[in-house]
Amino acid sequence: DAGVIQSPRHEVTEMGQEVTLRCKPISGHDYLFWYRQTMMRGLELLIYFNNNVPIDDSGMPEDRFSAKMPNASFSTLKIQPSEPRDSAVYFCASSPTSGDYNEQFFGPGTRLTVL
Amino acid sequence: GDSVTQMEGPVTLSEEAFLTINCTYTATGYPSLFWYVQYPGEGLQLLLKATKADDKGSNKGFEATYRKETTSFHLEKGSVQVSDSAVYFCALSHTGRRALTFGSGTRLQVQP
Repeated sequence: DAGVIQSPRHEVTEMGQEVTLRCKPISGHDYLFWYRQTMMRGLELLIYFNNNVPIDDSGMPEDRFSAKMPNASFSTLKIQPSEPRDSAVYFCASSPTSGDYNEQFFGPGTRLTVL
Repeated sequence: GDSVTQMEGPVTLSEEAFLTINCTYTATGYPSLFWYVQYPGEGLQLLLKATKADDKGSNKGFEATYRKETTSFHLEKGSVQVSDSAVYFCALSHTGRRALTFGSGTRLQVQP
């Protein structure tokens, strides 16, 4: 399996621009998670989906952030408008339903820099 | 709410030294506990796990024991290698809520 795929790997944009991050989970996994990693706040859960339905979006920082999962093989995280404080590494992870230990498989991350 | 506390890094060791990275947690009920590792430029990988009290997770020479009485899950390795240099994250989750709660991470640097 190719693992969780994220694109782009690096994104540099200017304040006020729209940013879209993409994720393809592992085939057959029906949970998908978006995390943000910063030096100040560490790893934070933003939102997660089960069977394409958002289950918990309490970590989404504000209305500028939105996430969608139109089908089982694709999800997007959009920031509009972007701000310098959104600079971080954004990780996508997926997880199967089976198993009692909730292992998550992480993608390589997207490093976002907002100037 | 749930929380995970890890010792601050960086931890710098010489090759073949003994490693301990402390992790304690606060949570209701009986969460599952994990150690994830992040190598430079990569995403996180599951290193080991434990799902109930007194369980010992082990992988690649690393071990951690789920201690309910001290709410701890310390990571240990008897002899570290340069290739173990990475950031290590302790985490927990509940069966009813799939999301992971992570500690702040501990950077390990192993010198030859």
